[in-house]
Amino acid sequence: EAGVAQSPRYKIIEKRQSVAFWCNPISGHATLYWYQQILGQGPKLLIQFQNNGVVDDSQLPKDRFSAERLKGVDSTLKIQPAKLEDSAVYLCASSSYHSYNEQFFGPGTRLTVL
Amino acid sequence: GENVEQHPSTLSVQEGDSAVIKCTYSDSASNYFPWYKQELGKGPQLIIDIRSNVGEKKDQRIAVTLNKTAKHFSLHITETQPEDSAVYFCALGEGNKLVFGAGTILRVKS
Repeated sequence: EAGVAQSPRYKIIEKRQSVAFWCNPISGHATLYWYQQILGQGPKLLIQFQNNGVVDDSQLPKDRFSAERLKGVDSTLKIQPAKLEDSAVYLCASSSYHSYNEQFFGPGTRLTVL
Repeated sequence: GENVEQHPSTLSVQEGDSAVIKCTYSDSASNYFPWYKQELGKGPQLIIDIRSNVGEKKDQRIAVTLNKTAKHFSLHITETQPEDSAVYFCALGEGNKLVFGAGTILRVKS
C-alpha cells in the first residue's frame, strides 16, 4: 500500500511570495490533515478535511493560508503572502473512516522563508 | 485547548539500556494515546498506541502504559539499539483529532 505522498520536499522563498504544497493521501482514506511543524516542536493541526468538506480549520491563519481538497482526494495548501515565521515543515496525514484515530503521515515539505 | 506535556526533552542512553518517556495531560475526554517516531527528514510514524480501556500494551521491545487516574502515559523501550535514535512524540486523541507533545530526542550511544 502506497503511503501519503507530498511535493515538493523542499521549498525556499522570500517573504511576501506565495507557495503551494500538494498532498495525495493513502487510497481510500476519507480524512486528510495538514499540520505545521516548527523546528523543535510537535506537529500542530492547521486544517482537517472529511472527504472534500472542512471539519476543522480553527488553527488556520486564514488571512494568508488557504487549503482545498477538490474531489475528496488530493489536497493543496497555499500560503500567500509568506512571512518569516512560516518557516516550518508542512506535514500531510490521512486516516480511514474505520480506523479514524490512526493517522499516517507523509514525509513533509520543508519551507524556508528568507 | 488540550495540552500535553512531554518529558524529558532529550534523553541519552547506552545501547542495551532502557528508555522511558512520559507524557501528562489534563483533558479527561481523551481516549486514544499514540506514540510516534520521527527520523530526520521523515514524517512521524506510528509505533504503538493505547486506548483508554487498556492499562498496558506491548509490542516486542516497546511498551506503553496508561494511568487514566493520574492522567499520564509512558513509552518504554527496552534493549535500545542505535536505530532507535530519533524524536519521539506522544499525542492525545479525541475523536479523530490529535494533539502532540513537544517531542523527546532520544540518542542511543553505541
